[in-house]
Amino acid sequence: GAVVSQHPSWVICKSGTSVKIECRSLDFQATTMFWYRQFPKQSLMLMATSNEGSKATYEQGVEKDKFLINHASLTLSTLTVTSAHPEDSSFYICSARIPDREVTTETQYFGPGTRLLVL
Amino acid sequence: GQNIDQPTEMTATEGAIVQINCTYQTSGFNGLFWYQQHAGEAPTFLSYNVLDGLEEKGRFSSFLSRSKGYSYLLLKELQMKDSASYLCAVLDSNYQLIWGAGTKLIIKP
Repeated sequence: GAVVSQHPSWVICKSGTSVKIECRSLDFQATTMFWYRQFPKQSLMLMATSNEGSKATYEQGVEKDKFLINHASLTLSTLTVTSAHPEDSSFYICSARIPDREVTTETQYFGPGTRLLVL
Repeated sequence: GQNIDQPTEMTATEGAIVQINCTYQTSGFNGLFWYQQHAGEAPTFLSYNVLDGLEEKGRFSSFLSRSKGYSYLLLKELQMKDSASYLCAVLDSNYQLIWGAGTKLIIKP
């Protein structure tokens, strides 16, 4: 199956700093990637849809100036949490969709997630 | 609005059978997914249903009734490693995944 990687898997930072998370599709080209956030004991919350070569589409309530998304290539999307605060501490997961694949099995392949702790 | 409901938590015994229900109300329907998520890990794909009926895959089966907006995931011969959260997600008319809050399944020996 398709593989999606995320880096780093764990990050601890001080309040006010910026953190960049990378999401890579390792063996396929992903024109569309998704960024999710998951707080403890809650389900996935879609933050934004990242399309290669164009601006990301953010979900309602997600600050685009705080969560910067760049999808500069078909295999890499980055999420930068700017001026992170303790309330941004969460589990961030990316997923990638294989383009033009018929929806018969998996629509999205998930990365392993990045756990962010802001002190 | 779009809504997916599933129980918050369920408990079952090792070796037994458990059924996790999911009801949905979405704008359009292009299929329903079940994912398994262990604590601290990303979700992993279990099943996809787009037509009514039962899809069996080893110890796991998934059922769909589109007219009722209802699905269930059936887990047989439960093992301790099945302790996880099970997420129901529906692909809406825009091919966007709408996620349920997940059902935490606790397996007891």
